[in-house]
Amino acid sequence: GAGVSQSPRYKVAKRGQDVALRCDPISGHVSLFWYQQALGQGPEFLTYFQNEAQLDKSGLPSDRFFAERPEGSVSTLKIQRTQQEDSAVYLCASSLGLAGITGELFFGEGSRLTVL
Amino acid sequence: AQSVTQLDSQVPVFEEAPVELRCNYSSSVSVYLFWYVQYPNQGLQLLLKYLSGSTLVKGINGFEAEFNKSQTSFHLRKPSVHISDTAEYFCAVSGAMDTGRRALTFGSGTRLQVQP
Repeated sequence: GAGVSQSPRYKVAKRGQDVALRCDPISGHVSLFWYQQALGQGPEFLTYFQNEAQLDKSGLPSDRFFAERPEGSVSTLKIQRTQQEDSAVYLCASSLGLAGITGELFFGEGSRLTVL
Repeated sequence: AQSVTQLDSQVPVFEEAPVELRCNYSSSVSVYLFWYVQYPNQGLQLLLKYLSGSTLVKGINGFEAEFNKSQTSFHLRKPSVHISDTAEYFCAVSGAMDTGRRALTFGSGTRLQVQP
């Protein structure tokens, strides 16, 4: 595709509800990252995939957060039993190569999650 | 561990005036440094990056940054700003090639507000 696509753009969930956020990276991009951006803050790293392998999940805040990329393309970030502190914009980024080295990350517009 | 500090949360400036957005980092390993820009309702875009070589790095839209290892700084500058430069600017750091860390660590951002 032309860019990184994320859906839904906006999601309102009741506390305790499960949500799933989707990321379509640029075709052929090997690396995929998820970041969480709270209001007024910079993006915080959640997890990293190289193709279908999840190489780093050290940023996931709790075991309620789960990410997958089963075929090395589309990725889904799932949050179970959402809490109010999960309210944030969730950013997906992809890169052709080893992004952490070159920094050539291409970001989507994000999915804004509001937990009531 | 790596960290990035952007001391100025907001920088108001008049059109055609020069601007400097400050960034300081902390890391126990060699780093690569980046500036990203986020325009309203858009994803983050790479402005410029420092990997090695000349410490003065030129980016898009007339921006430049200087890497200062002794002061652990990577300040962003533009000699004359335009209204269209109004955006959120994020400084970021990643581990260099031999550190194995792929993810970017972002600062909290600086909102540049260009006034006519």
